[in-house]
Amino acid sequence: KQEVTQIPAALSVPEGENLVLNCSFTDSAIYNLQWFRQDPGKGLTSLLLIQSSQREQTSGRLNASLDKSSGRSTLYIAASQPGDSATYLCAVRTFSGGYNKLIFGAGTRLAVHP
Amino acid sequence: KAGVTQTPRYLIKTRGQQVTLSCSPISGHRSVSWYQQTPGQGLQFLFEYFSETQRNKGNFPGRFSGRQFSNSRSEMNVSTLELGDSALYLCASSLGQTLVATNEKLFFGSGTQLSVL
Repeated sequence: KQEVTQIPAALSVPEGENLVLNCSFTDSAIYNLQWFRQDPGKGLTSLLLIQSSQREQTSGRLNASLDKSSGRSTLYIAASQPGDSATYLCAVRTFSGGYNKLIFGAGTRLAVHP
Repeated sequence: KAGVTQTPRYLIKTRGQQVTLSCSPISGHRSVSWYQQTPGQGLQFLFEYFSETQRNKGNFPGRFSGRQFSNSRSEMNVSTLELGDSALYLCASSLGQTLVATNEKLFFGSGTQLSVL
């Protein structure tokens, strides 16, 4: 059974720091891994999608890597800003129980203070 | 282009009642998926519809059901509500360019916050 774990559960950093969020998954048979951002009481915003054949994706100050063999992904945020404060979720798309489904981690709650 | 619209935004029901939630996808998107988010269980996949057919489902009891209309709008129904059904219900849409659209970007609505008393 696929399980997704995110470490740390919460993180508080001063503005300007570079930071790394971690995501691990137990079954390497995935279609892709996605990183989302969720602001309080809101839906999710897709940040980056890494297909199983890819190693990394970049968007602005965000860089996500994927190591399928070790079951790990990292989201790197450069020069953090207070506006980056949110919960970051990773999810793997996998085939399980006869269905294609997205399985989420519990998220990392990030606070960037001025 | 309007985003994914979910209605209502908030809903309060009592145990035993049933509820219907609505989701209007982004114009041109043919795939709609539903998720339940609770503090204890996190985000869990409910089901996904493509061209009015349920093509994927999660591990929820039969009390949770959904459907998709010809205009891609989707509804989710929960019958015989239980206290544990209190959650934020999110829907997401994607283009649905292929039947097995595994690498499509998802666009989420703001959700419906359901409270069961």
